[in-house]
Formats: sequence, structure tokens, C-alpha cells
Amino acid sequence: LAKTTQPISMDSYEGQEVNITCSHNNIATNDYITWYQQFPSQGPRFIIQGYKTKVTNEVASLFIPADRKSSTLSLPRVSLSDTAVYYCLVGDAYSGAGSYQLTFGKGTKLSVIP
Amino acid sequence: KAGVTQTPRYLIKTRGQQVTLSCSPISGHRSVSWYQQTPGQGLQFLFEYFSETQRNKGNFPGRFSGRQFSNSRSEMNVSTLELGDSALYLCASSSTGVSYSGANVLTFGAGSRLTVL
Repeated sequence: LAKTTQPISMDSYEGQEVNITCSHNNIATNDYITWYQQFPSQGPRFIIQGYKTKVTNEVASLFIPADRKSSTLSLPRVSLSDTAVYYCLVGDAYSGAGSYQLTFGKGTKLSVIP
Repeated sequence: KAGVTQTPRYLIKTRGQQVTLSCSPISGHRSVSWYQQTPGQGLQFLFEYFSETQRNKGNFPGRFSGRQFSNSRSEMNVSTLELGDSALYLCASSSTGVSYSGANVLTFGAGSRLTVL
């Protein structure tokens, strides 16, 4: 079972870079790492996905060290609208009888302060 | 293109009743997965349907069931509602579905908020 551990909450001022680290010590060889953002009363929204090294898109960067036991989501110059819960998702856990299930952790609640 | 549509957005039921929630995925997506989100347990995977077949299942009792139609629209049913079933129910669509590597990208709907009294 690929379990993830993230900080429960983080605070940041507007304009700063925010780095959220996710620990996934038992990540499997084939597992991808995916980050989602969720605003209150909405469904999660895909931010970024990676397998190794660094991935960057127009919204964020994802840093994955060589051992892949952790990953860091980097949000450049956050604004108030980035206040949300961020989930790190690693692979899909095999739950037996040929079935897989997605396991979301508790997520990190990011609060951006003006 | 249109996103994932869930109906109804809000509903109130009483204990013992049953409820049916609907999810229309992104056009062309054959996978629909369902999740329950509560403040205490977070986001929990219920099950996934792919091309009308339940392909993956989480650890929920048999009161929670679902189905998928030939147009990929999916419904989720909860029978004999309990107070603890009050939650935000989310569905997500993807082209590849839940896989062993997690490489698939999910597009979530806005959810259906169920309150059980």
C-alpha cells in the first residue's frame, strides 16, 4: 500500500514560493506521483504528475529525488486564490482479487496570507 | 469540452432511505470512479466502473453500489442510509481509469453533498 505523509497545514504570504513535501517511502517501481488541488465544496483538480527528476508546467513544479521516496510540489509566487488543500497521490494500491484503489492522504491545507 | 457533471448537487435524506447519485463523465472517457469525502476520513475510494463493468472496489459495505451505462454515465446508490453516510460524494472520469501505476489523470465533478438526518 503506497501511503503518503504530508504536513497538515502550511501558511504563506502572497508572492512567496511555497514548497509542499510528500513522503512516500514504499513507493513502487511503476508508481507515478500526482498532485491535486481542492477548494471548499469542489472536487479536486489535477495540478501536476511526474515519475522522476523534475516536471514543470504553467502552474507548478514537481521535484522528485533519485530514490523517489519523497516529492516536493513547488508553487511559485502564490496568491490568495491558491488557498486550498493539496493532495499527493502515489500509485494505486492493490486491494486484492485483481482490484486496485486510489488512496488519498489527508492533504495539506495551504493558507495564503495577504 | 464539457467537464464532469454530477447531480443533484445537494440533497437531504432521512435514515433508512436510499439515494441515487448521477455522474456524467467527459465525452470519450470510459472510466468513472466514485469517492466519499468526510472531514474525519478524508477522500475515500468507493469503486470504479470502466466500460460498464466494475473494475475496482474500495472498502465500503454492500449498501454502496453503482452501475455504468453504455454512454459511460454512472450512477451510485446508497441503500438504508445511516447518519455516517452524510458526506460529499465525488465522481471522477478518466480515459485510462484506475491502474496499478497511478499514471491516469482524474477529472473530478463538483460533487453531490448528501445530508442524512
